[in-house]
Amino acid sequence: EVQLVESGGGLVQPGGSLRLSCAASGFTVRRSYMSWVRQAPGKGLEWVSLIYDAGSYTGSTTNYADSVKGRFTISRDNSKNTLYLQMNSLRAEDTAVYYCARDRTGSTGDYYYYYMDVWGKGTTVTVSS
Amino acid sequence: SFELTQPPSMSVSPGQTASITCSGDYLGNKYISWYQQKPGQSPVLVIFQDNRRPSGIPDRFSGSNSGNTATLTISGTQATDEADYYCQAWDSTTVVFGGGTRLTVL
Repeated sequence: EVQLVESGGGLVQPGGSLRLSCAASGFTVRRSYMSWVRQAPGKGLEWVSLIYDAGSYTGSTTNYADSVKGRFTISRDNSKNTLYLQMNSLRAEDTAVYYCARDRTGSTGDYYYYYMDVWGKGTTVTVSS
Repeated sequence: SFELTQPPSMSVSPGQTASITCSGDYLGNKYISWYQQKPGQSPVLVIFQDNRRPSGIPDRFSGSNSGNTATLTISGTQATDEADYYCQAWDSTTVVFGGGTRLTVL
């Protein structure tokens, strides 16, 4: 069964750091594009970051939303089949449930597609003093 | 930056058809995906590549995309379809979500 399990959330003070983990089973993280998506309390989904698959010509290219660029770092450990999100300089507005997701990408010739077909249950991050 | 706009809420009677829209510049030139999220649960993919359904998604869910508007259509809406629905697109190097539409079945 394909599954994602997030962990590492918790309460942290503003300016602090936290590392989220996302353990995958049933598929190989190294061969997949993967994303982090967050949802602030009572708000909608916000994409945070993605990492390309290790097999693409772009290697481990990473992209970030402007709201987290320079503060968050996405990475993976192939030996543990786990995705990470290192979050530094945390702010109150980073408070959210953080989901990891497996991404599907490709082109049909006309257009490029990108969607998330498997989601974890999420881990809650609260930034407060 | 690219934006996707959805109506914040809509309601539908059981058995009727719900059409949830998602608008954005030249949206018909992009592939759209739709996610369903019920309270306290993770999002679930219901439509990808504009109109394709993942296995396990009922065929009452369908999608279309043309011009500047994509539409998620739920035919014969059931009480279990009450949820938040989000559209999503890829823009250059980033993933973009719409603000979400809360569908109430009453």
